[in-house]
Amino acid sequence: GAVVSQHPSRVICKSGTSVKIECRSLDFQATTMFWYRQFPKQSLMLMATSNEGSKATYEQGVEKDKFLINHASLTLSTLTVTSAHPEDSSFYICSATRQGGWQETQYFGPGTRLLVL
Amino acid sequence: AQKVTQAQTEISVVEKEDVTLDCVYETRDTTYYLFWYKQPPSGELVFLIRRNSFDEQNEISGRYSWNFQKSTSSFNFTITASQVVDSAVYFCALSGGYSTLTFGKGTMLLVSP
Repeated sequence: GAVVSQHPSRVICKSGTSVKIECRSLDFQATTMFWYRQFPKQSLMLMATSNEGSKATYEQGVEKDKFLINHASLTLSTLTVTSAHPEDSSFYICSATRQGGWQETQYFGPGTRLLVL
Repeated sequence: AQKVTQAQTEISVVEKEDVTLDCVYETRDTTYYLFWYKQPPSGELVFLIRRNSFDEQNEISGRYSWNFQKSTSSFNFTITASQVVDSAVYFCALSGGYSTLTFGKGTMLLVSP
């Protein structure tokens, strides 16, 4: 199998606080993990690509200082939304691949619903 | 640039009907991969199928089948004898040319009892 977990599944926070979301590959080592954002009734938007042991690659328009990504091990990547504001409220979903190749299947986590008040 | 078009925004069917979800793609790459994912109301994306550009064989998995036609750049997905549990948003996606997944906008399928 290829199981990916995310924690927390849902978080509500006050404006100005930081929120950390964890993405774990449970039964395989993930060289590369991806972070997506999805607004209601819309498709997934890639935010960044995270490779173990190196800096994340952010998509155009995604603020690096706002969305901090750390991929410290082959099974864990974290996304920290710093100084969250209501417009950051969204569904954040991660995915993982074994080798990191563009042709590989991405296995997705269950997602994290963030609501910033 | 890659592009995936899912022209059907929403489809409603009654249980046991067959339904086909359309996917048309654009790419200049000769080697590419096509995917279908299912996103139920819970939000998790469930991987359904991956097909490379050199394999045009149709595939059947239980009630699911996929029709890949390079001549029309289409990778359509058919569910036979639909069930209420099939209700979800279905995404078609493409990767190629060392680029990661490009998703279509998704098709919401509602299966009524």
